[in-house]
Amino acid sequence: QKEVEQDPGPLSVPEGAIVSLNCTYSNSAFQYFMWYRQYSRKGPELLMYTYSSGNKEDGRFTAQVDKSSKYISLFIRDSQPSDSATYLCAMSRSGGSYIPTFGRGTSLIVHP
Amino acid sequence: DARVTQTPRHKVTEMGQEVTMRCQPILGHNTVFWYRQTMMQGLELLAYFRNRAPLDDSGMPKDRFSAEMPDATLATLKIQPSEPRDSAVYFCASGPGETQYFGPGTRLLVL
Repeated sequence: QKEVEQDPGPLSVPEGAIVSLNCTYSNSAFQYFMWYRQYSRKGPELLMYTYSSGNKEDGRFTAQVDKSSKYISLFIRDSQPSDSATYLCAMSRSGGSYIPTFGRGTSLIVHP
Repeated sequence: DARVTQTPRHKVTEMGQEVTMRCQPILGHNTVFWYRQTMMQGLELLAYFRNRAPLDDSGMPKDRFSAEMPDATLATLKIQPSEPRDSAVYFCASGPGETQYFGPGTRLLVL
């Protein structure tokens, strides 16, 4: 079993839909949780970053961490065709190591 | 707008040749990472530097790959000799700590 599991998709939704992207993990030592967006033929771009449990909102994006279930989510409200990309979750331990473990990424397609 | 830069952006070479990829991290970032991305394996960590010191290169094939940071503005990844299975996109990322900012990548094709 991989440390971080992420469904590769593709996930296809109509424009305006609410999108839910998820990752599960097995290592309870993870404290930092990130979401990256990667457009085709580009580098990953940091989208959201949370520490420990809870929610964080930034515009149409909400990141949620449930450490008791070892489950993290990224919600996208009012999805747009420009949101079509691969979304990678990443997480790392505290203590100064900073080496993240990445999920494989979920491919999202938002069609007009 | 500070960015990680990588050169070259594309490289086509023949098996057995040396390949050198360069990265300029964002000024002030103390961590630098090299990753390889393929469809089959996703993002794989190859090397990790903190304050220019190599801390983890366990993901790197030691017999042919080497990574260095000769100064705070330059990180290099070398493959010698290159093999077709090295064909991938190589990303450099830098960060102030637990977050990372990726460069645009070097797309390598070894024939």
